[in-house]
Amino acid sequence: NAGVTQTPKFQVLKTGQSMTLQCAQDMNHEYMSWYRQDPGMGLRLIHYSVGAGITDQGEVPNGYNVSRSTTEDFPLRLLSAAPSQTSVYFCASSYSSGKSAVLTFGAGSRLTVL
Amino acid sequence: EDKVVQSPLSLVVHEGDTVTLNCSYEVTNFRSLLWYKQEKKAPTFLFMLTSSGIEKKSGRLSSILDKKELFSILNITATQTGDSAVYLCAVLSSGSARQLTFGSGTQLTVLP
Repeated sequence: NAGVTQTPKFQVLKTGQSMTLQCAQDMNHEYMSWYRQDPGMGLRLIHYSVGAGITDQGEVPNGYNVSRSTTEDFPLRLLSAAPSQTSVYFCASSYSSGKSAVLTFGAGSRLTVL
Repeated sequence: EDKVVQSPLSLVVHEGDTVTLNCSYEVTNFRSLLWYKQEKKAPTFLFMLTSSGIEKKSGRLSSILDKKELFSILNITATQTGDSAVYLCAVLSSGSARQLTFGSGTQLTVLP
């Protein structure tokens, strides 16, 4: 079972560059989300999706775009990277209701913006 | 705005000690509270608590929720060096999406 797969694991960008963090899950989960984790601040929700074709903003959406064209994939796009976006990014997914709402996390992507 | 506060922020103990980690919350439309353990990488699920006063237990770890006082505790007995990790508390509120609000975590270090 692959679970939630994120790529790349590490990335260094220069200010102003764009990139896409990929996230794929093979558990047929309806709900997918992106979090960023910064020291002392826990995990903060960037964007989420409750199903293919449906996305919405979380707590810290500025500077990021998402799309959900399939149930399996939920890429996160940085349009013009800024040093403030240096962080560890986690993709997570779950079923949309009941006890199965427990999130399963990917291994994380460490992004450094110079 | 939903808020989850964990204490202490960090804790250093010796193997065999018992520790108690705290999580208090203020959320609208509370649905459940979750505990995760995070070592070097992805958080892994420990417990989900929905009802007050019912202890969840898994080996040396246990957790309980008090919905009246709006807090939860995570106990670890007979700690081992493998318990060293960041323990995250998160609260799920009901609504149109399954949004979790996370606390900043407790860094537990268990020394041999």
